[in-house]
Amino acid sequence: SQQGEEDPQALSIQEGENATMNCRYKTSINNLQWYRQNSGRGLVHLILIRSNEREKHSGRLRVTLDTSKKSSSLLITASRAADTASYFCATESNFGNEKLTFGTGTRLTIIP
Amino acid sequence: KAGVTQTPRYLIKTRGQQVTLSCSPISGHRSVSWYQQTPGQGLQFLFEYFSETQRNKGNFPGRFSGRQFSNSRSEMNVSTLELGDSALYLCASSFLSETQYFGPGTRLLVL
Repeated sequence: SQQGEEDPQALSIQEGENATMNCRYKTSINNLQWYRQNSGRGLVHLILIRSNEREKHSGRLRVTLDTSKKSSSLLITASRAADTASYFCATESNFGNEKLTFGTGTRLTIIP
Repeated sequence: KAGVTQTPRYLIKTRGQQVTLSCSPISGHRSVSWYQQTPGQGLQFLFEYFSETQRNKGNFPGRFSGRQFSNSRSEMNVSTLELGDSALYLCASSFLSETQYFGPGTRLLVL
């Protein structure tokens, strides 16, 4: 089962612009993670934010978490062509049997 | 350190056959999880093994099974393959942190 949804489903922006993706989830969580996937290959871990954190930064990435709204956003600043990929949020919760529950993903295309 | 490796990378089977996929985690990682990715259902959790014991299991039929060996390597098996089992199967390993490190996946096509 999917924990939640991401929007937009697809996003195209010019190189150098900022990209924002949103994730909504359904149940209480321990943490929320963002992953990147290039062309149907393996996933690469980007950043993890715990349920008691509100914002986290890593390089050009900024993640926010609003547990009251059960939502998170990923901001990629100064985008590059190499950022073209699918981005997934994934949640780890205290409930259920699933290790990680993934969102539906956002397909990001950076136009050079 | 070498990353997570999965073999084979590509596989073609016919309906009714069975298949075994292999995953070697990062050295020192004792937790191995498996995920199925399809265009229709997205990424779905199959099961997690830790120290040779299944710790969590997703909502998949009994045709999907797995095991983990003492060296932490893991295998998953799908019996009586169906067309809908065509997917990218991803393995991930982790140490003590919540971060999962994924392998490149095995792409299975069932004809």
